[in-house]
Amino acid sequence: DAGVIQSPRHEVTEMGQEVTLRCKPISGHDYLFWYRQTMMRGLELLIYFNNNVPIDDSGMPEDRFSAKMPNASFSTLKIQPSEPRDSAVYFCASTERGNEQFFGPGTRLTVL
Amino acid sequence: EDQVTQSPEALRLQEGESSSLNCSYTVSGLRGLFWYRQDPGKGPEFLFTLYSAGEEKEKERLKATLTKKESFLHITAPKPEDSATYLCAVRPDNTDKLIFGTGTRLQVFP
Repeated sequence: DAGVIQSPRHEVTEMGQEVTLRCKPISGHDYLFWYRQTMMRGLELLIYFNNNVPIDDSGMPEDRFSAKMPNASFSTLKIQPSEPRDSAVYFCASTERGNEQFFGPGTRLTVL
Repeated sequence: EDQVTQSPEALRLQEGESSSLNCSYTVSGLRGLFWYRQDPGKGPEFLFTLYSAGEEKEKERLKATLTKKESFLHITAPKPEDSATYLCAVRPDNTDKLIFGTGTRLQVFP
């Protein structure tokens, strides 16, 4: 299996621009999680889905952030408009039946 | 409030010098405690899951143990390739999300 796939791996954008991060979970996994990692706050859960349905979005920082999972093979995390404080590494993870999570390689986002 | 605290924040060891990393937790019912390894520029890599006090799991030079309040990751005779950040996470009752600690950054010198 190819593992969790994320794109792009690096994104540099200017403040105010829209950013879209993409994730393909491991085939057969029914849970998908979006995390953000910074030096100051560590690894924070933003939102998670079960069978493509959002279950808990309490970690989404504000209305500028949105996430979708249109099918079992694809999810997006969108930031609009982006701000410098959104700079972080964003990880996607998937799991089967809520067991151990498998993480993707991450997207390093820099907002100038 | 569910919380995970890891110590120490950073640890420097000589190759072959055994040590332990600590993960203390408070959680309203534990459905699982997870250990991950993270190398720079990569995503966390799953190591172990522990479910109940007294449980132990081993993998090469690593052994994870669990009590009702904390977990230890014991590293026996570490090698430089064991250098990484080790993350601990708990899964509370009635949820499928994990709560992560801030990690222990381990450096092993030859």
